[in-house]
Amino acid sequence: GQSLEQPSEVTAVEGAIVQINCTYQTSGFYGLSWYQQHDGGAPTFLSYNALDGLEETGRFSSFLSRSDSYGYLLLQELQMKDSASYFCAVRGSNDYKLSFGAGTTVTVRA
Amino acid sequence: NAGVTQTPKFQVLKTGQSMTLQCAQDMNHNSMYWYRQDPGMGLRLIYYSASEGTTDKGEVPNGYNVSRLNKREFSLRLESAAPSQTSVYFCASQGISYEQYFGPGTRLTVT
Repeated sequence: GQSLEQPSEVTAVEGAIVQINCTYQTSGFYGLSWYQQHDGGAPTFLSYNALDGLEETGRFSSFLSRSDSYGYLLLQELQMKDSASYFCAVRGSNDYKLSFGAGTTVTVRA
Repeated sequence: NAGVTQTPKFQVLKTGQSMTLQCAQDMNHNSMYWYRQDPGMGLRLIYYSASEGTTDKGEVPNGYNVSRLNKREFSLRLESAAPSQTSVYFCASQGISYEQYFGPGTRLTVT
């Protein structure tokens, strides 16, 4: 099976930078995804990393190190609308399933 | 494009009642999924369908059945609801870059 660990909560002020770490244990590995979920809403896709390195999409970046079984999501220039839960999810085999972490609640303060 | 749609949005059942949650996607995706999300927790996979005509169990399939009616539609059935099935249910479909698109969810309460 798969297990993923990420911090449960992070609080930061507007304009700050937040890094959400995700470590995983899987029997196989094909990729790591990140999803954002606002309170009461549906998860929305942010990024997918299959190879080592940093992927940047606007204010959000995602990093993967397969040798360390580790990835992170970097949120820059934090805005109030970034207050949400963020989930990492691993694709651990060459099928069609994702396993999700328990999520990190990010609270942005003025 | 509506993306992924789910019905109903809310439902209250009594223990032992049955119901079917409907899901449809208009993105021509092959793979579809049913998840449940309990308060403060991540998403747990109930069942998935890699392609039309196939379904497979996920992490928590007990008490549920699914039907992949056609490429667009994937339904989830609770035959005899239990209070432990109180949850928010999300349907999703998967694009070619392994990104999943989620429906708005069904909030189910079983009393």
